[in-house]
Amino acid sequence: GAGVSQSPSNKVTEKGKDVELRCDPISGHTALYWYRQSLGQGLEFLIYFQGNSAPDKSGLPSDRFSAERTGGSVSTLTIQRTQQEDSAVYLCASIKDRGGLGDTQYFGPGTRLTVL
Amino acid sequence: AQSVTQLGSHVSVSEGALVLLRCNYSSSVPPYLFWYVQYPNQGLQLLLKYTTGATLVKGINGFEAEFKKSETSFHLTKPSAHMSDAAEYFCAVSEGGYSGGGADGLTFGKGTHLIIQP
Repeated sequence: GAGVSQSPSNKVTEKGKDVELRCDPISGHTALYWYRQSLGQGLEFLIYFQGNSAPDKSGLPSDRFSAERTGGSVSTLTIQRTQQEDSAVYLCASIKDRGGLGDTQYFGPGTRLTVL
Repeated sequence: AQSVTQLGSHVSVSEGALVLLRCNYSSSVPPYLFWYVQYPNQGLQLLLKYTTGATLVKGINGFEAEFKKSETSFHLTKPSAHMSDAAEYFCAVSEGGYSGGGADGLTFGKGTHLIIQP
């Protein structure tokens, strides 16, 4: 596809269940970012991948959150034992060259997660 | 550490009137600055960005923004509002050296919801 895609678009889960969110970046984009958008908190950076490597995972809200990227492409964000405060829209963005002045982050449509 | 402040969580203007959305930033290094727009149930779309050079930046849909270093501001304007401009607008900053986003990603303001009155 031409843009960043995310799946599912909506996810409703029960408290305590695990969820997996998927991001397909634009082909050839080397860097990938996950953000969380929640009411009152705005857009919050979670984690960044350069290739398959995430240099710093300190932005993840808790140890229930994990993320991986394989083949320099698809990334998954996993939330274990979900809590109601995890309810938010999770956005993924990719960029070809984060140092390039002419380049920018392209965002996917997001996954809306609701934890009951 | 860098931060972004957007004045006004909601701004309402009449159709045809001037749109002014305010953004102030703090950064310890020369910043790269962005404005994104988010329509309902959609991701963020880049409106414009400042990297280097001309401080008045023109973007899509008739929007423009001016980087004022002395005021640490990057306000977004449009001369004449259209109904289709109703959306959420986010100002963002990237650390120096990575115009596309550093290892800490982009730092966003909390957003301004633009309401267009007919």
